Amino acid sequence: EPEVTQTPSHQVTQMGQEVILRCVPISNHLYFYWYRQILGQKVEFLVSFYNNEISEKSEIFDDQFSVERPDGSNFTLKIRSTKLEDSAMYFCASSPSANYGYTFGSGTRLTVV
Amino acid sequence: AQKITQTQPGMFVQEKEAVTLDCTYDTSDPSYGLFWYKQPSSGEMIFLIYQGSYDQQNATEGRYSLNFQKARKSANLVISASQLGDSAMYFCAMREGQKGGGYNKLIFGAGTRLAVHP
Repeated sequence: EPEVTQTPSHQVTQMGQEVILRCVPISNHLYFYWYRQILGQKVEFLVSFYNNEISEKSEIFDDQFSVERPDGSNFTLKIRSTKLEDSAMYFCASSPSANYGYTFGSGTRLTVV
Repeated sequence: AQKITQTQPGMFVQEKEAVTLDCTYDTSDPSYGLFWYKQPSSGEMIFLIYQGSYDQQNATEGRYSLNFQKARKSANLVISASQLGDSAMYFCAMREGQKGGGYNKLIFGAGTRLAVHP
């Protein structure tokens, strides 16, 4: 069964450093998303991406965050200058259309020290 | 106001028994979708079941069924014949319609941690 692949599975970074989280969505999917889950808390929407542009973003997704689909297969989330409170599990998801179910990746656990 | 409310932070059930996990939602949009996801201790999000707001029948997927009561705005997950491997966090989520059609982001509840005892 097709799956969404996220790398790395776990990343530790120093506060203030830039990180890039990578995702390979399912190949025929058109809609892409990033979510995050701070340990023990609910899953929060960050951003949705369609047709090479952001279609919606939450208040969490400030100027420190950016997304890119650099080569037609990868979908990346960049955090420019990480803060301690950015420590969380980050999930990538994709769907074939706007009114269809998502497939989530297995997540990247980001730890900022 | 909370869009998705899961009032049970933790539940436990005996193996082979059925269990119901509660979820209520709040929306004024006539078009929406309701989802349940399972998150085991390994962290991944596993899709379980989906109910569309216009679906006439309650959704079922194997041992999972969704008790959809539209007037009460509830979408409870029923797991029949619980197994030890069902021990996990369970999230209810909603996807609202958008102007011009289509849905977008999922809004998650706080989750219910289910423990299945032998």
